[in-house]
Amino acid sequence: DSGVTQTPKHLITATGQRVTLRCSPRSGDLSVYWYQQSLDQGLQFLIQYYNGEERAKGNILERFSAQQFPDLHSELNLSSLELGDSALYFCASSVLAGHTDTQYFGPGTRLTVL
Amino acid sequence: GENVEQHPSTLSVQEGDSAVIKCTYSDSASNYFPWYKQELGKGPQLIIDIRSNVGEKKDQRIAVTLNKTAKHFSLHITETQPEDSAVYFCAGAGGTSYGKLTFGQGTILTVHP
Repeated sequence: DSGVTQTPKHLITATGQRVTLRCSPRSGDLSVYWYQQSLDQGLQFLIQYYNGEERAKGNILERFSAQQFPDLHSELNLSSLELGDSALYFCASSVLAGHTDTQYFGPGTRLTVL
Repeated sequence: GENVEQHPSTLSVQEGDSAVIKCTYSDSASNYFPWYKQELGKGPQLIIDIRSNVGEKKDQRIAVTLNKTAKHFSLHITETQPEDSAVYFCAGAGGTSYGKLTFGQGTILTVHP
């Protein structure tokens, strides 16, 4: 158990809908990262927050957005969902925001778009 | 940006044998290279990492070597056990990418009893 929690574990929804994925980082960690894992794209970085501020962005679609709250939990919002958005979404956390900081991954949320 | 290539995509060994997985990276500014193990239905779990100021790091049956000149790094697992069967990912980070990890494509390791 990494100490990173994610809810829900599974999410099934329809095209065009909007969903929110939630992540609680390990106690004491200030940085949260979101990754998408799919069979064709592998593990892809989406976005990073550090202490409430956006720190780095990957190839995140405009339909996707995220935020980190004062209690440091983070939410990833996915809207206008398409079939291709079906994937595993992982949250990771680290103590600081440096590129050599160890990232600990949560168990993931499996999103299925029908 | 960074690009990480991982080989082989699948690896099958007998219990007790060694397993080696290799990765190459493109960005010479990268200086942090973690390895993750992912079991079915779970999130990636860090098993070992190496920073560019060292060439090798060991943790019991697992070792990682880094060659900065050639821009490649490798994971070595000795005395493999069936519970080592999983998908292994290498990753790189550094330079201006802040905390962004760029992952390799993964290696499915199967250890036969």
